[in-house]
Amino acid sequence: QVQLVQSGAEVKKPGASVKVSCQTSGYTFTNYDINWVRQASGQGPEWMGWMNPNSGNTGYAQMFQGRVTLTRDTSIRTAYMELSSLRSGDTAIYYCARAIAAGGSNWFDSWGQGTLVTVSS
Amino acid sequence: DIVMTQSPDSLAVSLGERATINCKSSQSVLSSSNNKNYLAWYQQKPGQPPKVLIYWASTRESGVPDRFSGSGSGTDFTLTISSLQAEDVTVYYCQQYYSFPYTFGQGTKLEIK
Repeated sequence: QVQLVQSGAEVKKPGASVKVSCQTSGYTFTNYDINWVRQASGQGPEWMGWMNPNSGNTGYAQMFQGRVTLTRDTSIRTAYMELSSLRSGDTAIYYCARAIAAGGSNWFDSWGQGTLVTVSS
Repeated sequence: DIVMTQSPDSLAVSLGERATINCKSSQSVLSSSNNKNYLAWYQQKPGQPPKVLIYWASTRESGVPDRFSGSGSGTDFTLTISSLQAEDVTVYYCQQYYSFPYTFGQGTKLEIK
């Protein structure tokens, strides 16, 4: 079955960077876009960006432009999200989510379990 | 950006009764090229990621009970649970995937009356 397994919780100081991994299994990694979504406590989800694992093409939400980088390692079917210049407002659960296809406008049919990133001095 | 606004923020319904959640988009999410509404509904239980229930505004995801249904077009959408079960008491979100950045509603918390 389709599985997305994320790396563990992180605690970072303001100004630092964090890199979260999303290891996939159960499907052909390069056939489906991976998106990243974060959710602060008690808030709705917030979309951060997408990546096509085949081409490596990416797209980012304007509010994260310049601070977020999405990459992948196709040999181990893993996607990564790196967020830099962390501030307290970045404290949230970060999810990877598989889109139902590659390219185009798609909803998300499988999600990782989430990674809590806490930014605190 | 397309703003998604859900109503109400919270809703109390008796078990076995109908629950209706609304979602309004600031711009139409109906594509003129394929006549599809780029709108999904998700259910999120505590400590879990969201789970898709409905896509294309009204297509039920495989395995989702048929008491869940979606309707609407353009800018106004509704998620209906025809007969509320105890396991349905949680938070629901709408999401537009018509244009980047994808955006979600603020959520509706469903409770038992």
